[in-house]
Amino acid sequence: EVQLLESGGNLVQPGGSLRLSCAASGFTFSSYAMSWVRQAPGRGLEWVSAVSVISDSGGSTYYADSVKGRFTISRDNSKNTLHLQMNSLRAEDTAVYYCAKEGYCSSISCYRHFDYWGQGILVTVSS
Amino acid sequence: AIRMTQSPSSFSASTGDRVTITCRASQGISSYLAWYQQKPGKAPKLLIYAASTLQSGVPSRFSGSGSGTDFTLTISCLQSEDFATYYCQQYYSYPKTFGQGTKVEIK
Repeated sequence: EVQLLESGGNLVQPGGSLRLSCAASGFTFSSYAMSWVRQAPGRGLEWVSAVSVISDSGGSTYYADSVKGRFTISRDNSKNTLHLQMNSLRAEDTAVYYCAKEGYCSSISCYRHFDYWGQGILVTVSS
Repeated sequence: AIRMTQSPSSFSASTGDRVTITCRASQGISSYLAWYQQKPGKAPKLLIYAASTLQSGVPSRFSGSGSGTDFTLTISCLQSEDFATYYCQQYYSYPKTFGQGTKVEIK
């Protein structure tokens, strides 16, 4: 059974930092791209960042414009864990943050939807 | 960034109704589209990917169609557990973007 468990959420002051983690189990973590998706209170879903599978040429990372330069995504395949380092936090970063596993690649195509989600972790940025 | 626009934003329906939600992409995304269901306080749940492929375990009353820029999610016979908010999402290119959501409420 695939499980994704986020941790590290907290109340932090504007300008502060926080590191989220997502512990994965039930699948071969190193073989799948992973993403973070957030949802501000009462709002819709917003994709935040993604990290690809680490290949011989390294891994690739992607960011939403709203977090580029402030957030850093990383993965530790030895520990089956995804991280999101969040710096220079703003009030508008207040949200529930979800860790999400991306879909699979077949011989024909890659299906990069989100097939499994964690339960979410709340990050509150406020003074 | 590709903009995803859902319609309607919300509506009321009764159990047993056939309902359709539409999603339009600001540029062509082939069939790289997924639909999710979200209930209050819960994580989103994948319903459909590749525009029309039903995720394992999802009831067959859910179906998806479309390609290019116009897509639909249809629930053939609305059940009580289907009252929720539905999101479309494109994964054709980064940044991956979601529609604003469609809330299905009980009439």
